[in-house]
Amino acid sequence: DSGVTQTPKHLITATGQRVTLRCSPRSGDLSVYWYQQSLDQGLQFLIQYYNGEERAKGNILERFSAQQFPDLHSELNLSSLELGDSALYFCASSPRLNTEAFFGQGTRLTVV
Amino acid sequence: GESVGLHLPTLSVQEGDNSIINCAYSNSASDYFIWYKQESGKGPQFIIDIRSNMDKRQGQRVTVLLNKTVKHLSLQIAATQPGDSAVYFCAEISNNAGNMLTFGGGTRLMVKP
Repeated sequence: DSGVTQTPKHLITATGQRVTLRCSPRSGDLSVYWYQQSLDQGLQFLIQYYNGEERAKGNILERFSAQQFPDLHSELNLSSLELGDSALYFCASSPRLNTEAFFGQGTRLTVV
Repeated sequence: GESVGLHLPTLSVQEGDNSIINCAYSNSASDYFIWYKQESGKGPQFIIDIRSNMDKRQGQRVTVLLNKTVKHLSLQIAATQPGDSAVYFCAEISNNAGNMLTFGGGTRLMVKP
């Protein structure tokens, strides 16, 4: 157990809908990362927050947004969902910048 | 663009043999590298890391080698076991990329009994 908690574990929703994925980082970790992993693919970086501020942004779609709250948990919002958004979404946390990141078990999103 | 990549998509080894998984990176400003193991249906698990001021680091049964001259990273697993079967990713952080943790494409390691 990495100490990073993601909810829900599984999510099935219809095209056009909006969902929110939640991540609780390890205790004391200030940095949160979000990644998307499609079937048998690598991990695509979406966005990173550090102590509540956006730190880095990858190829995140405009339909996707995220935030990190004062208690350091983070949420990833996915809207106007398309079939191609079906994937595993991982959150990771690290205590500081430039240190190892620890991953949660992911949220499996299925868009039907 | 800047990227971290892997040479071999699949590596098959006999149980008890040593495994070597390779990774090339293109960002010369990369200063921190991590190897992760991902088992089916699970999140990536940290294995070992190395900073750019080092060329070798050892853990339990694993060794990471960094060759900055040719921008190459490798993960060596000694006495490979069936439980080592997984996909292995190298990842990179560089200060000039906003501290993003960027992953390579992954190598699937299959251990034959």
